[in-house]
Amino acid sequence: AQSVSQHNHHVILSEAASLELGCNYSYGGTVNLFWYVQYPGQHLQLLLKYFSGDPLVKGIKGFEAEFIKSKFSFNLRKPSVQWSDTAEYFCAVSEWDTGRRALTFGSGTRLQVQP
Amino acid sequence: DVKVTQSSRYLVKRTGEKVFLECVQDMDHENMFWYRQDPGLGLRLIYFSYDVKMKEKGDIPEGYSVSREKKERFSLILESASTNQTSMYLCASSGPTGDEQYFGPGTRLTVT
Repeated sequence: AQSVSQHNHHVILSEAASLELGCNYSYGGTVNLFWYVQYPGQHLQLLLKYFSGDPLVKGIKGFEAEFIKSKFSFNLRKPSVQWSDTAEYFCAVSEWDTGRRALTFGSGTRLQVQP
Repeated sequence: DVKVTQSSRYLVKRTGEKVFLECVQDMDHENMFWYRQDPGLGLRLIYFSYDVKMKEKGDIPEGYSVSREKKERFSLILESASTNQTSMYLCASSGPTGDEQYFGPGTRLTVT
């Protein structure tokens, strides 16, 4: 079964610091990649996604992620975080070529931004 | 906007009770999913459904069953609730390409 690893479980940053959250997956075939965010007390929402094309994708609220196929990675970045970015972030992967529509999620990274 | 609703935000049940969690989506999506979310474990797939009356086991189906009698509704059933099923349960749906999933607000279930 495929696995998704998020290496940072809890990250604490000051406002204006840069952010990079790691995500690695194990599936060797064609994948679709996602980052979801869960703000305190809210439901999961899509931050950005990669299906094909330019491996650098931009999402909402200034977030971007880069797909590096050779490293099986899809790291999330933001140049300057804000207090409102405090949330839990989940990387997720689907296996495009098997048609498996379900997502496999990483364990999540809790981001705390201090004002 | 896609809307996925779940019948309860909070639920407290006793060990051995039969528990029904309901999920409804309003976007005519083919695919529906049930996950449980636990701290440090992320989201784990319990069951999913590609179509009415169709279901597939996910990664952790033991102790659960599902029902999909109508396209918009997907129910998760705990036949005999146990304390290790205390968790946050999330429902999601997606369209025919099956990729971007839309999530409901979740049901926090406590089994005592």
